[in-house]
Amino acid sequence: AQSVTQLGSHVSVSEGALVLLRCNYSSSVPPYLFWYVQYPNQGLQLLLKYTSAATLVKGINGFEAEFKKSETSFHLTKPSAHMSDAAEYFCAVITSGSQGNLIFGKGTKLSVKP
Amino acid sequence: DAGVIQSPRHEVTEMGQEVTLRCKPISGHNSLFWYRQTMMRGLELLIYFNNNVPIDDSGMPEDRFSAKMPNASFSTLKIQPSEPRDSAVYFCASAERARSYNEQFFGPGTRLTVL
Repeated sequence: AQSVTQLGSHVSVSEGALVLLRCNYSSSVPPYLFWYVQYPNQGLQLLLKYTSAATLVKGINGFEAEFKKSETSFHLTKPSAHMSDAAEYFCAVITSGSQGNLIFGKGTKLSVKP
Repeated sequence: DAGVIQSPRHEVTEMGQEVTLRCKPISGHNSLFWYRQTMMRGLELLIYFNNNVPIDDSGMPEDRFSAKMPNASFSTLKIQPSEPRDSAVYFCASAERARSYNEQFFGPGTRLTVL
């Protein structure tokens, strides 16, 4: 069965610093991978998705993620954190052909210090 | 585009009462998903529909939970009777079709508190 593991339930960075949120997946077949962001008291919003095209995927708000099959990873990065990036981030996987059943990680809460 | 609409946004009820959560998907979307989010268990898929037909309800925790989608523009999630452990945020999401890589659009959620 497919699954995702997000390392670190809470990450804190300074404004302007690199953001790195880790996600590893488990899947016996080629996966589709997603990063969602949840701001306080809101629903989830798609940041970016990997669907077997380019391994480096660019998303909204300056975020990007790289699919590394050899490491079964899909880490999310942003070169310079803004205060507005403070939110919870979820990695999710769908095994191709599973009719859209998203499996979410536990989430990583990102704090940005001034 | 109004996005996915959920009502109510907040619900406080007493144990044993019936609770009905409502969802209006984005027009034209034919897949609808119900999720539950808690601190302990994170995000869980409860049930999803394709073209108003329930496809997978294996995430529904107990027979106290039921979901319906009578037409393409409306779905309900009902809990009867409610229990304190049902307290959570319930999200509805919709997608244009049940293809693996199609984006799911989430509603703002309903925060349920069962006393």
